[in-house]
Amino acid sequence: GQNIDQPTEMTATEGAIVQINCTYQTSGFNGLFWYQQHAGEAPTFLSYNVLDGLEEKGRFSSFLSRSKGYSYLLLKELQMKDSASYLCAVADSNYQLIWGAGTKLIIKP
Amino acid sequence: GAVVSQHPSWVICKSGTSVKIECRSLDFQATTMFWYRQFPKKSLMLMATSNEGSKATYEQGVEKDKFLINHASLTLSTLTVTSAHPEDSSFYICSARGGDSDYEQYFGPGTRLTVT
Repeated sequence: GQNIDQPTEMTATEGAIVQINCTYQTSGFNGLFWYQQHAGEAPTFLSYNVLDGLEEKGRFSSFLSRSKGYSYLLLKELQMKDSASYLCAVADSNYQLIWGAGTKLIIKP
Repeated sequence: GAVVSQHPSWVICKSGTSVKIECRSLDFQATTMFWYRQFPKKSLMLMATSNEGSKATYEQGVEKDKFLINHASLTLSTLTVTSAHPEDSSFYICSARGGDSDYEQYFGPGTRLTVT
């Protein structure tokens, strides 16, 4: 079967760094996405990894290891506005997205 | 670029009535559109995938006669919830793929449906 696992909830402090992990088992792999979703809003695109390694984009970085079926999203210099759910999704062999349940990130002052 | 709109953003309807939700790609041609629903504190659940000019492909467990999807043009797809029940109350989100990217899905802002 197809499965995406990520922690349900994480808490971090403003200004700190947090890493959100995602492991996956899917039929086929055409890339892994990270999306940010604030409550009551649609997801917004953060990153896309299809090759192994680290992709850095400002305060956010995303890492992928295809052999391990593993990715993480790294958020640096956390701000209160980063409080949101972070969704991991894998594109399968048909480019259809398989979604994780999301990680709710709570930022404390 | 790559903007997707949805209309309405929220709607309240009575049980037994039908509601139509529109999804438009404003600045690109969407070869494929996706319809999701999301319950509170849950992840996105794909309902169906539609390609312009062809019938939608529904996910297992989604009633195609209840959730009618039409993808009449490369910029418009509609989802009609027929004979709505309170359990259909949810957040419905569309996304579109096309334009410059073969893989990225661009999401609409979502529609909050409440059935009373």
